[in-house]
Amino acid sequence: EDQVTQSPEALRLQEGESSSLNCSYTVSGLRGLFWYRQDPGKGPEFLFTLYSAGEEKEKERLKATLTKKESFLHITAPKPEDSATYLCAVQSYQAGGTSYGKLTFGQGTILTVHP
Amino acid sequence: DSGVTQTPKHLITATGQRVTLRCSPRSGDLSVYWYQQSLDQGLQFLIQYYNGEERAKGNILERFSAQQFPDLHSELNLSSLELGDSALYFCASSPRSLAGMKGEQFFGPGTRLTVL
Repeated sequence: EDQVTQSPEALRLQEGESSSLNCSYTVSGLRGLFWYRQDPGKGPEFLFTLYSAGEEKEKERLKATLTKKESFLHITAPKPEDSATYLCAVQSYQAGGTSYGKLTFGQGTILTVHP
Repeated sequence: DSGVTQTPKHLITATGQRVTLRCSPRSGDLSVYWYQQSLDQGLQFLIQYYNGEERAKGNILERFSAQQFPDLHSELNLSSLELGDSALYFCASSPRSLAGMKGEQFFGPGTRLTVL
């Protein structure tokens, strides 16, 4: 069974203070790792997809990286508007090599950026 | 705006009742996924449909059922509701046209269900 663990559970930063969020995963065969941002009471907003170890993706102040066991979401010089819950999810191969697209999510990291 | 729409936004009902949640996927997306989000369980996969056919089931209770119609909209039916069913229910759609292919999922705004 796929498992995703995110740390820390909560992170408080000052505006401009860079940091990283961690996502550790266990899957039988990784098809993709996804990062989402979720604001309170809203649906998850897609940020990045990573498919293979060594891959990196960037968007504004966010950069996602992937290894064979974990992914990091680096936040550079964050602003208060970056405050949200960041979710990591994996998509894996099922028995027989098929994949039906199901995402398994971690519990998320609640990021708060103070001005 | 992801392009996925869900109605209603909020639903308040009593235990033992039945409700229907509706989802319209992004234009051109054939796959629809339903997820449940509660404080203690996080986001949990319930069920997937592809072009009208059920393709995968997750932690979906027998009291819950879903279907996808020819116009690709989907409905999630929840019956014999219990207090523990109170949660946010999200629908997502995928731009990939075939099960088994990689692809990100785009989530709707959700339906908040409160069972009293």
